[in-house]
Amino acid sequence: GAGVSQSPSNKVTEKGKDVELRCDPISGHTALYWYRQSLGQGLEFLIYFQGNSAPDKSGLPSDRFSAERTGGSVSTLTIQRTQQEDSAVYLCASSSQTGGTYEQYFGPGTRLTVT
Amino acid sequence: AQSVTQLDSQVPVFEEAPVELRCNYSSSVSVYLFWYVQYPNQGLQLLLKYLSGSTLVKGINGFEAEFNKSQTSFHLRKPSVHISDTAEYFCAVSTGSSNTGKLIFGQGTTLQVKP
Repeated sequence: GAGVSQSPSNKVTEKGKDVELRCDPISGHTALYWYRQSLGQGLEFLIYFQGNSAPDKSGLPSDRFSAERTGGSVSTLTIQRTQQEDSAVYLCASSSQTGGTYEQYFGPGTRLTVT
Repeated sequence: AQSVTQLDSQVPVFEEAPVELRCNYSSSVSVYLFWYVQYPNQGLQLLLKYLSGSTLVKGINGFEAEFNKSQTSFHLRKPSVHISDTAEYFCAVSTGSSNTGKLIFGQGTTLQVKP
């Protein structure tokens, strides 16, 4: 079956512009996670959605970052007024249920470059 | 707070030799432990996980790992590596108490298999 998909695969933007990154989780998966992979910081948790519950935003690095999940499926990560330190690969993952015992399936990522 | 330390950033090894990638974690609560592999320009793929029970866990592609609670370690091993095992390997932890399943990753170990 179809895995987690992300778009675009690559995004180059100018400093100060806003960007939107999209994630389509595996159909039927209720939990969705965003992570960031950068050279300096490694892999970091950003935000987590589970059904209709309030998201866990504890990993968002600043208020320029926000995310939403519409209809319990597709998620969009928005970065406003991008900075060069935002350059990274943004990974999305989904799992069938919440909790540490359930495998997270990762998408291929969106590589963001801020010039 | 939990943290994960991967003791080697790079591990070069010859084909058909055994390999061990080291991982230590710190947590004041019970944890679930994972190893993920990332091939070039791809997302993360789960190799194996420890949730409970037997401390020796077998995963895909001939990999196995042993959970050692007293040493807070979860080292990954393979008795004979192939060129195709060249990739980056991430150790990760999630806590049972948080129940969100969000993963805390180590910095990664690049396994370089040479012919």
